[in-house]
Amino acid sequence: QVQLVQSGAEVKKPGASVKVSCTTSGYRFTSYSIHWVRQAPGQRPEWVGWINPGNGNTKYSQRFQGRTTFTTDTAASAAYMEVNSLRSEDTAVYYCARHSGTWYKLVYWGQGSLVTVSS
Amino acid sequence: DIQMTQSPSSLSASVGDSVTITCQASQDIINYLNWYQQKPGKAPKLLIYDASNLQTGVPSRFSGSGSGTDFTFTISSLQPEDIATYFCQQYDNVPLTFGGGTKVDIK
Repeated sequence: QVQLVQSGAEVKKPGASVKVSCTTSGYRFTSYSIHWVRQAPGQRPEWVGWINPGNGNTKYSQRFQGRTTFTTDTAASAAYMEVNSLRSEDTAVYYCARHSGTWYKLVYWGQGSLVTVSS
Repeated sequence: DIQMTQSPSSLSASVGDSVTITCQASQDIINYLNWYQQKPGKAPKLLIYDASNLQTGVPSRFSGSGSGTDFTFTISSLQPEDIATYFCQQYDNVPLTFGGGTKVDIK
């Protein structure tokens, strides 16, 4: 069965960086894009962007462009999201998700990784 | 970016009641709309795609309709396990954007 397992919670100081991992199993990793979505406490989800593990192509929401980097390790079937220059407003649960069939049907989700930014 | 406006932000209904949530897009998104259910501490779960298509395995008491800018999500007979927050999300344009959510609980 398809599984996406994310790294654990992190506490970071403002200005630091964080790298969240999403380790997948149960399917061919290079065949499906991985989306990243974040959700601040009590807020609506925000789409951060996606990466195509098959060719490394990425698409970032303009809001996160320049401070966020997606990478993959195909040998490990894992995707990563790094966020730099963290600020308190980046405190959120970060999710990875995979589509099923068409690209916009986000059916499979990781359990979420809480990133807390606090001095 | 396309803005998604949901209403109401919360509602309370009795078990067996019909519940309706609306979602309005800031521009025509044809039928490029998903509906998700999210329970506390969990990831969103896809219920409806293409505005009206039920995702595999989702109970038939959930339904969606609409096109253009105005969409509706309905739970025909509210069950205790439906207590959650529901979000609409458009995929006509990137960035994908979500509505503000509707928290549903039992009266």
